[in-house]
Amino acid sequence: AQKVTQAQTEISVVEKEDVTLDCVYETRDTTYYLFWYKQPPSGELVFLIRRNSFDEQNEISGRYSWNFQKSTSSFNFTITASQVVDSAVYFCALSQYGNSGGSNYKLTFGKGTLLTVNP
Amino acid sequence: AAGVIQSPRHLIKEKRETATLKCYPIPRHDTVYWYQQGPGQDPQFLISFYEKMQSDKGSIPDRFSAQQFSDYHSELNMSSLELGDSALYFCASSRRDKTGDSNQPQHFGDGTRLSIL
Repeated sequence: AQKVTQAQTEISVVEKEDVTLDCVYETRDTTYYLFWYKQPPSGELVFLIRRNSFDEQNEISGRYSWNFQKSTSSFNFTITASQVVDSAVYFCALSQYGNSGGSNYKLTFGKGTLLTVNP
Repeated sequence: AAGVIQSPRHLIKEKRETATLKCYPIPRHDTVYWYQQGPGQDPQFLISFYEKMQSDKGSIPDRFSAQQFSDYHSELNMSSLELGDSALYFCASSRRDKTGDSNQPQHFGDGTRLSIL
């Protein structure tokens, strides 16, 4: 069974602060995908990043960066110089990788972290 | 770029009524997934289809059924609606490459907000 844990239910920061959202996962699969999604108050799910388990290289995209550590089963997300528009619920998710029978890539989500960035 | 289209955006029903939610995947995407997100909850996988065949099933009630049509759009049919069915229903789509692996991240529609009175 797959499981994603986002221990931080809510985080509140002041604009321009850096903030890290934690994600720890459990899976029996040796290969898998990890995702981060953003859900603003308007409700849509916005894809941020997908990382496969082969690639442990950290990634940076503008103010966003991701730290994947297979040894600790963690895929943490850092926002640098946070802005009010970053306020949202952030979900970490996990899916299988590769053609396994009927192949299913359903996502298993964590409970989400509500990030509030105050001006 | 074209995105996943869901309709309607909002739907209000009464208990015991039926509802049909529609999903139009990104062009050339062959796989559709349905998720249910209750208030304050994370999205939960309901069901998925690949090339018009059901590929996986999650915690979908027997009162719900779904299918994928020849044009790859999908419909989620919900009957005998209950108060607990009030939720945001998301559809996502992806495309498999020649090896059978999904090389596309799952892109989500904006969701259908279903309210049961």
